[in-house]
Amino acid sequence: DAGVIQSPRHEVTEMGQEVTLRCKPISGHNSLFWYRQTMMRGLELLIYFNNNVPIDDSGMPEDRFSAKMPNASFSTLKIQPSEPRDSAVYFCASSLGGWNEQFFGPGTRLTVL
Amino acid sequence: GNSVTQMEGPVTLSEEAFLTINCTYTATGYPSLFWYVQYPGEGLQLLLKATKADDKGSNKGFEATYRKETTSFHLEKGSVQVSDSAVYFCALRAGRDDKIIFGKGTRLHILP
Repeated sequence: DAGVIQSPRHEVTEMGQEVTLRCKPISGHNSLFWYRQTMMRGLELLIYFNNNVPIDDSGMPEDRFSAKMPNASFSTLKIQPSEPRDSAVYFCASSLGGWNEQFFGPGTRLTVL
Repeated sequence: GNSVTQMEGPVTLSEEAFLTINCTYTATGYPSLFWYVQYPGEGLQLLLKATKADDKGSNKGFEATYRKETTSFHLEKGSVQVSDSAVYFCALRAGRDDKIIFGKGTRLHILP
């Protein structure tokens, strides 16, 4: 079975542009997580969905960030407008339910110039 | 609040050396403890876990024992290989419905 799929794997954009990151969770998993990883702050949880409903978005940095999960097999994380400090690796993870074992995707490396 | 502290890296060892990566935690109650590993260019994957005091988690030659008296969950391996080069994250979950809290990660380099 395929694992968690993320696209794109790498994104380079200029400050002020809109960025959309995509995630397809493992089929059958009903929880989905977005994380951000930087050298300075380590791995931070941004938002957590359960059955397509956002449960905890307290980690979303500010209004420039938004996440959606329109169905069980797809989620997006959007940054508008992007800033250089948003440069990081963004991971999507899914689980069978809640905080059970999470399976991580390969990540999207975002660079904002 | 709940937190995890792990030794800063990078840690550089020769192949077949003994490995210890220290991890201590702060949490109320009886958290579950985890070690995750991130190989280059990949996402994190669960390496091992322990859910109660004195439990030992083990996988791929790695071990960690849940020590409540010292609030520690140190990762050990008796003989490391070059393929063990990765970043290792200690993590905890305070309760079944609580989020997983990750440490900053420790980068491990194994030299042939």
